[in-house]
Order: sequence, then structure tokens, then C-alpha cells
Amino acid sequence: DVKVTQSSRYLVKRTGEKVFLECVQDMDHENMFWYRQDPGLGLRLIYFSYDVKMKEKGDIPEGYSVSREKKERFSLILESASTNQTSMYLCASRWGLTLSTDTQYFGPGTRLTVL
Amino acid sequence: AQKITQTQPGMFVQEKEAVTLDCTYDTSDPSYGLFWYKQPSSGEMIFLIYQGSYDQQNATEGRYSLNFQKARKSANLVISASQLGDSAMYFCAMREGPSGGGADGLTFGKGTHLIIQP
Repeated sequence: DVKVTQSSRYLVKRTGEKVFLECVQDMDHENMFWYRQDPGLGLRLIYFSYDVKMKEKGDIPEGYSVSREKKERFSLILESASTNQTSMYLCASRWGLTLSTDTQYFGPGTRLTVL
Repeated sequence: AQKITQTQPGMFVQEKEAVTLDCTYDTSDPSYGLFWYKQPSSGEMIFLIYQGSYDQQNATEGRYSLNFQKARKSANLVISASQLGDSAMYFCAMREGPSGGGADGLTFGKGTHLIIQP
């Protein structure tokens, strides 16, 4: 079974702090993704990476950055956390080169609260 | 314009009844994939079923089937013989683009909260 793990289930930070959310997958997947989930808005893509050291902006990249130094690990960075970044953050990975193998496998999520 | 529309914010269904969760999508790309995910209260997203735009038959996975009506741009999820454990949020999602490449993420709908009553 594919396993995607995230470093924390719950995190509380203060405004202005630098925050690191870590994601690790164990299936040698090429592609990794960070989403945020807010009530009534569904999931929205923040950033994705299709290879080590490669990254692409998603739909809502403002206020975030990412790092992918190793294939199995994809980090989301909040340079200066703000209260409007309080949310559930979900990491996902995918092997698929074609649509038919596009299934994304998700981690358990990190619920971040910024005070 | 929303690319994925789920018009049912919440649904209550009696146990053992069949459930249909609505999803309509909007794309001009002839090649796309449609997905359904389940999110129980624990928070993890669980993949349920996939339908490709060129697939001739509706996808099925156990008690889940996808009622794919391409002309209507509709991809409804059908759960047969619902169980209490089916209570969860359900998300419809789409990926556009030709087969063979691309790393774009999925576009999700806002979800339907399904509650199965005993």
C-alpha cells in the first residue's frame, strides 16, 4: 500500500512565525502536491512538484513556498504565518504519467491554527 | 466559472438505500479524468473511483459506480446498499489534459456531506 505521511496532525503557531509542513511518500512517486482545504471551498492546489528540485505554482501559491530536495519528501513553507492561513493542509503523491494512472494518494492532513 | 459543481451540500439517507451524489464538470479539453474521493471524519482522502473521458463504459468499484453522461458533463457517484460507514464528505475532482504527461493537480468540487441514518 502507498503510504503518505505528514509530520504533524495538529499544529498551532503564532502570526509571523516561519512554519514547515513536511510530507513523505514511500512509493517512489514522481509527482507530489500540497492542497489546503477550507469549509465550503473544497481542496485548492497550492504547489506541486514533478521532480526533485522542480516546483510549479498551483491555484493559490501566495504566502507559500515549497522545497523538494529528495524525491520522497515535499515540504510546504509558510515564510511568515498569518491568521488567514489557518486551514487543513493535505499532501498527496502520484506516480501516473497518464490520466488513467492519475490516482493521487493523500496523507492524513495537518490542521494548522495560526493565532 | 466553477469547473466542478456539486450541488448537494448535505444529504441524509437511510441505511441500505442507494445514494446518488451529483457532480457536473466544465472543460473544453477532450481528454480528462474524473475522480471521486471520500473523506471520513478522520480527515484522510480515500480514492474511490476513476472515469476517463474516452472510457466507453461506466466505471465500477464494488458498491461504487460512476454514472458518466458525457454530453451532459455529468459524473454522478452511485453507492449501492449504503452502510453507516459510508457517512463522510465526498468530493468529485477532475484533471484535464492529454494522456501522456503533465503534473497538474486535481480540481475539486466543494463536496457533499453524506450522513447515513440507521
